[in-house]
Amino acid sequence: GESVGLHLPTLSVQEGDNSIINCAYSNSASDYFIWYKQESGKGPQFIIDIRSNMDKRQGQRVTVLLNKTVKHLSLQIAATQPGDSAVYFCAETVNSGNTPLVFGKGTRLSVIA
Amino acid sequence: DGGITQSPKYLFRKEGQNVTLSCEQNLNHDAMYWYRQDPGQGLRLIYYSQIVNDFQKGDIAEGYSVSREKKESFPLTVTSAQKNPTAFYLCASSPNRYGYTFGSGTRLTVV
Repeated sequence: GESVGLHLPTLSVQEGDNSIINCAYSNSASDYFIWYKQESGKGPQFIIDIRSNMDKRQGQRVTVLLNKTVKHLSLQIAATQPGDSAVYFCAETVNSGNTPLVFGKGTRLSVIA
Repeated sequence: DGGITQSPKYLFRKEGQNVTLSCEQNLNHDAMYWYRQDPGQGLRLIYYSQIVNDFQKGDIAEGYSVSREKKESFPLTVTSAQKNPTAFYLCASSPNRYGYTFGSGTRLTVV
């Protein structure tokens, strides 16, 4: 498949371990955040979102944490599986998404079987 | 099935040539977007449209043009003025404020 990022930060984890992917966002006025997963040669897929009035949101095997004080977002993946290997992007927007999403540079997650 | 379709998957452009990338959605979404993705970088916004017959420039609009004559369609033309067009192009749509749905992308290469 095609590479979506040759020089991205990389996180390598053992299968079954938990993964934590971090993102520092840029705009203190951002009020809506999304995590996307992108597999090689494909478009990004929605994972989980969070609004600025929340600190934490949980999905299936994933948790997003938001720290507005330091403008930091994290994605936690429980019991990481080989199928989780991909590039992960955080995205932010202001005005509850009425302006286009601004994407971070991404982190490549590699799962070691 | 509802979705967003980009075509072609691979596209080759000669120097000085204009090419058009197709993006079609049947999700009844009002807003559509074009992003460019280069290795080692995130997605950068080229153009977006929130309603038919209206569109706005993004961060890197120079050398690109778009149209939004129909709600379902948002084609992107890469003109000869774009000096470094080799990249992966992603189209997305959204119904309102939240939840982008992305297409599978078009990889454009200059030959």
